[in-house]
Amino acid sequence: AQKVTQAQTEISVVEKEDVTLDCVYETRDTTYYLFWYKQPPSGELVFLIRRNSFDEQNEISGRYSWNFQKSTSSFNFTITASQVVDSAVYFCALTLYGGSQGNLIFGKGTKLSVKP
Amino acid sequence: EAGVVQSPRYKIIEKKQPVAFWCNPISGHNTLYWYRQNLGQGPELLIRYENEEAVDDSQLPKDRFSAERLKGVDSTLKIQPAELGDSAVYLCASSFAREDTQYFGPGTRLTVL
Repeated sequence: AQKVTQAQTEISVVEKEDVTLDCVYETRDTTYYLFWYKQPPSGELVFLIRRNSFDEQNEISGRYSWNFQKSTSSFNFTITASQVVDSAVYFCALTLYGGSQGNLIFGKGTKLSVKP
Repeated sequence: EAGVVQSPRYKIIEKKQPVAFWCNPISGHNTLYWYRQNLGQGPELLIRYENEEAVDDSQLPKDRFSAERLKGVDSTLKIQPAELGDSAVYLCASSFAREDTQYFGPGTRLTVL
């Protein structure tokens, strides 16, 4: 069975601090996708990134960066110079290739509060 | 381009009443998903459609939940009768195909009293 663990339930930082959100996943499959979504107070899940299991390159998009390490089954998300608008719940998710592809398995989320 | 549209945004009903949620996916997206998100949890898949066909409804409580996707576009999720434990946010998502990224709507927050 697949599982996604986000051990950090809540994180609070002051604006301009860097913050890393942890994600650890479990699967016996060798081919899968990993995702990060942001859920602001409005409730809509906003897609941030998708990474397939064959691509371990780290990615940077503006203030956001992602570190994918298959050796530790982790897909961590770092926000550099955090801003108040980054306050939200962030979800890491996993889906497999094949028949069950499309069934996103979500972690429980990490609530990030960025204070001015 | 318009995103996934859901209505209503909020619904308050008494237990044993019926309720229905509507979803309009992104234009051209063939795959549609309904998820349920309980408070403090991540979303969990209820049903997935590929065009008009429900290809995965293994997590849908079929005794009280039903869904349809007529003409492979809009979809309706129904609960009858609602129970207290059904209070949650119901999210609709769509993707061009099963292997593509899912985009979510704003959700319907259901409160059952």
